[in-house]
Formats: sequence, structure tokens, C-alpha cells
Amino acid sequence: DVVLTQSPLSLPVTLGQPASISCRSSQSLVHSNGNTYLNWFQQRPGQSPRRLFYEVSNRDSGVPDRFSGSGSGTDFTLKISRVEAEDVGVYYCMQGTHWPKTFGQGTKVEIK
Amino acid sequence: EVQLVESGGGLVQPGGSLRLSCAASRFTFSSYWMHWVRQVPGKGLVWVSGIEGDGSRTRYADPVEGRFTISRDNAENTLYLQMNSLRAEDTAVYYCTREGFDFWGQGTLVTVSS
Repeated sequence: DVVLTQSPLSLPVTLGQPASISCRSSQSLVHSNGNTYLNWFQQRPGQSPRRLFYEVSNRDSGVPDRFSGSGSGTDFTLKISRVEAEDVGVYYCMQGTHWPKTFGQGTKVEIK
Repeated sequence: EVQLVESGGGLVQPGGSLRLSCAASRFTFSSYWMHWVRQVPGKGLVWVSGIEGDGSRTRYADPVEGRFTISRDNAENTLYLQMNSLRAEDTAVYYCTREGFDFWGQGTLVTVSS
């Protein structure tokens, strides 16, 4: 199975400051069709997961542009340019290239 | 907007069975793979199973292979997860989600305990 390793697992951030989450894969996430199926999700306390990005860097509707997704191959990053209070929650990367689909362990973002 | 509503969770004894349902609406259900993802409270997300739009292909995570069966009724726009031989470690909130994992239901809690 593809293992996704997120770091850090806990991320205390000051409001208005940037934040960055890394997601490293145990193997390339480039599909035979050339696409890279790496998603990012946000899960706020008590809520269902919400997809933020698909195929590495495609922002979902309604996602603020302070969020960005980047990376290729086995290394991916989610960045928040200026953290706001509503960004508190757990962030997961997920790969859809290989079966079984797998998620990273999650990174908990909290306000200092 | 797309809507996914899970039901069928509850308390069941080890070794017992439960069938989860996910009612889908506001999209062409039969055109999409559908998946089940579970989450132990306070823990991470784990993919459980997926089924192709026409039901012709199914996939399972190793821990549930042979015990769980995913199915769908495209006439009723409903996804199912039949869970047999349940174990304590199957205790989790179960979410249904559409292909691409772009929309998720609110989840249904399954508790396996004597």
C-alpha cells in the first residue's frame, strides 16, 4: 500500500502567519494516464471532511485563495498564506492513484 | 448541490451484522464510483471500499475484505455497505463519498461492543 507521511502532525500557528504542511508518498503518485491524484482535505471539529484541492493544485469551489497546493511525484505541500481562526482543524492528504486509496495521518492546525 | 445521507449505524455485538445505506441526490448517481471511508473518533480517515458506477467493479481494504460487501441500487440512488462478522476495531463513523471524494455525507456511527 502507498504510505503518505504528513509533517508536522501538530501545527500551532499565530493568526495572520503562514503555515505549511508536507505530504510525502512512499511511491510516485503519477498515474499511467499522466495525472497525479493527490487531494487535500480539511476537517473542522465535529464536521465531515471537505476537499480543498484535487490533482495536487486544483482548488475546489469556495476554498479561499490563501490556500495553495503544490508538488509532484512523491512530495506535496499545502500552504496557508495567512492563517485565520476558521482554518483550525485537521488537514489530510489522500492519494487516489493507487489501490487501496490511502490517507496521511492528519495534521492538526491550531491557533497559538 | 450534491447530497449524501448515511443511515443504518448503531450498536451491534461482536460477530454481528449491520447494513449501512447512503441516499444520494442531485447528481447522476450511476455515473460515479462511490466509496465508504471510516474514522475512529479522534483518529484519521481510512478508505474502506469502493464500487464503480454500474456496480461491475468493487474494491476493498484488506481489513474488511471477505467480511464487508459494497453494493448499489442505481434505480434508488442508494449505496450500501453490508458489514458481517463485525469486530471491535470496526467501531467508527462511516462516511459515504463520491468519486473524487468531492462530496461527503454527515457520517453514521457504528459501535461494535458487547
